[in-house]
Amino acid sequence: DAGVIQSPRHEVTEMGQEVTLRCKPISGHDYLFWYRQTMMRGLELLIYFNNNVPIDDSGMPEDRFSAKMPNASFSTLKIQPSEPRDSAVYFCASSPTGWTEAFFGQGTRLTVV
Amino acid sequence: TQLLEQSPQFLSIQEGENLTVYCNSSSVFSSLQWYRQEPGEGPVLLVTVVTGGEVKKLKRLTFQFGDARKDSSLHITAAQPGDTGLYLCAGAPNNDMRFGAGTRLTVKP
Repeated sequence: DAGVIQSPRHEVTEMGQEVTLRCKPISGHDYLFWYRQTMMRGLELLIYFNNNVPIDDSGMPEDRFSAKMPNASFSTLKIQPSEPRDSAVYFCASSPTGWTEAFFGQGTRLTVV
Repeated sequence: TQLLEQSPQFLSIQEGENLTVYCNSSSVFSSLQWYRQEPGEGPVLLVTVVTGGEVKKLKRLTFQFGDARKDSSLHITAAQPGDTGLYLCAGAPNNDMRFGAGTRLTVKP
C-alpha cells in the first residue's frame, strides 16, 4: 500500500477563494482523521470519520470548514471562503481503529494571502 | 487547555547528552502513543504504551507509562543529531486520536 495520500502538497490561494484538500486513506482502515498543525496551536483534530460517517466535527473552527467522505477511499476538506488565518499544514491520517496507530499523509501546506 | 500537556516545549542539547520529555494529563488513558515528526513530513509512530507502569525500550529511547495511566515520559540516552525532531504524545479518549503540542528537540553536533 502506498500509505495515506494527500493532495495537493502545497496550495497558495487568495483570501475569499474556495480551497479543497483531498485525502486517500489506507485501504481497510475504518477511521479517517483531519488535523491542522500550526506553531501556535500544535496538531488540532478537526473532524474524524468512522466507516465514512462523520463522528465528531467539534474541532472544525467555523462554518467555513466542511468535510466529506463519500466512500471508503476518498475524503475532502473544504474551506469556503478562505482567510489568511487558515494558513497552516493540514494532515489527513487513517487508522484501523480509533485508538491504534494513526498513519499520516505528508500534509498540505496551505497559504492564504 | 490541552488534553495532553507536553514539556518542555523546546529543548536544545549537545550530542551525547541525555534528556527526558514529559506528557501529562488529568485524564486516564487506555494507552498512549509517542510519535516523531520531521520537517515536511507527517508524524510517525514510535511506540504505544498500554499497561500502567510499563517501560518500553527502542534502542536509545525509553518510554514509560505512569502507574495511573495519566502520564508518560520519553528518555533519550546519548542523544544524536538524528534524534532532532518534534516529539508528540497522543491518546484516544473516545476513539479520537488527540495530540499534545509536542517537544521540539534539537541535538547539536
